[in-house]
Amino acid sequence: DADVTQTPRNRITKTGKRIMLECSQTKGHDRMYWYRQDPGLGLRLIYYSFDVKDINKGEISDGYSVSRQAQAKFSLSLESAIPNQTALYFCATSEGGDYGYTFGSGTRLTVV
Amino acid sequence: GDSVTQMEGPVTLSEEAFLTINCTYTATGYPSLFWYVQYPGEGLQLLLKATKADDKGSNKGFEATYRKETTSFHLEKGSVQVSDSAVYFCALRIGGGKLIFGQGTELSVKP
Repeated sequence: DADVTQTPRNRITKTGKRIMLECSQTKGHDRMYWYRQDPGLGLRLIYYSFDVKDINKGEISDGYSVSRQAQAKFSLSLESAIPNQTALYFCATSEGGDYGYTFGSGTRLTVV
Repeated sequence: GDSVTQMEGPVTLSEEAFLTINCTYTATGYPSLFWYVQYPGEGLQLLLKATKADDKGSNKGFEATYRKETTSFHLEKGSVQVSDSAVYFCALRIGGGKLIFGQGTELSVKP
């Protein structure tokens, strides 16, 4: 099994629908992150969590919410999806310091 | 604010050519610097890192040197292979462990 698992891998949803993207990890890391990737813009941080009781907004949190259900699980929700939220979404974990991140394989979300 | 700027892609090279992907950064303090690689259909993987000035990170034939005086962390490889075709991201680590990424540079290596 992958260290960081994201579900679903691909999703098409309609404008106005609520959708949840899920992330689970087996690394035992406390820190988890949600990024979105858009062509030409790189990765931008949506939310991050340093432990179960710690949730922080990133640079582009508007329109998104998160839930840290356990050390291993970190979910991203779009309460009312809009077309400009069409993107590739990545979950990542880290143990802090300079150890780098471990990324999931991503969820490709299309909002029509 | 803190930011990372990479050279625009796509970069197209022939096999065995020399590769340079430029990366410059703006940051307060002394960030740690990273290169990540994203192969088609996959998530990002850490390629190499450097944590202080003049450090050289290296992995799989790729190298990058942390140049504080020019605020740069250029990625180089002496002889690229078709299997190196991917998107490369430069990143810096700021306070709290968050990574800030550049926009990515797509590399295509032709046989």
